[in-house]
Amino acid sequence: DAKTTQPPSMDCAEGRAANLPCNHSTISGNEYVYWYRQIHSQGPQYIIHGLKNNETNEMASLIITEDRKSSTLILPHATLRDTAVYYCIAFHGSSNTGKLIFGQGTTLQVKP
Amino acid sequence: GAGVSQSPSNKVTEKGKDVELRCDPISGHTALYWYRQSLGQGLEFLIYFQGNSAPDKSGLPSDRFSAERTGGSVSTLTIQRTQQEDSAVYLCASTWTSGSDNEQFFGPGTRLTVL
Repeated sequence: DAKTTQPPSMDCAEGRAANLPCNHSTISGNEYVYWYRQIHSQGPQYIIHGLKNNETNEMASLIITEDRKSSTLILPHATLRDTAVYYCIAFHGSSNTGKLIFGQGTTLQVKP
Repeated sequence: GAGVSQSPSNKVTEKGKDVELRCDPISGHTALYWYRQSLGQGLEFLIYFQGNSAPDKSGLPSDRFSAERTGGSVSTLTIQRTQQEDSAVYLCASTWTSGSDNEQFFGPGTRLTVL
């Protein structure tokens, strides 16, 4: 699975959009971009995933560049409860038996 | 029965003792994963079960670690002769298959402390 690079930390004001970047320049054509988050003392929570097209769900939007070398997770109106570590993972389920390889992630601090 | 459940939520044991950690996956999920997370670290893959196939044990750190999955559902992770470096949060996740388009659902974890 491709390695991903994320900034170690970011701040965001409550109510504003949080834009979390991820670089995955070595991603292969069949690898998806997955985002999970981990709120303190809880298990990771799935947020969103995509392959080529931009995706949106009730939690977030995922913008993937045309060359697929980077992506951005957007939380449109961040709340204090969105404070968490956000993990970007390039993932192909049939390789490595589908295990997720977590990096260090981005610690997002939402401030009032 | 909504999500993945794990028990116990916390376990404190003495060095050298054996421990068993339990995971109840979401009903119908055929794939089950164990990960562990040491303090301040990311998640580390341990072992993977998929249906009746042989498990992928490539992430187990030593032969003191083993896991079983009975009846394709409940899984038990066993750590024998625990050491202080085994202290971590042990997380279980399940999903329908190991395909690319399937999110993994995580349990709350078991916090293991080895004194």
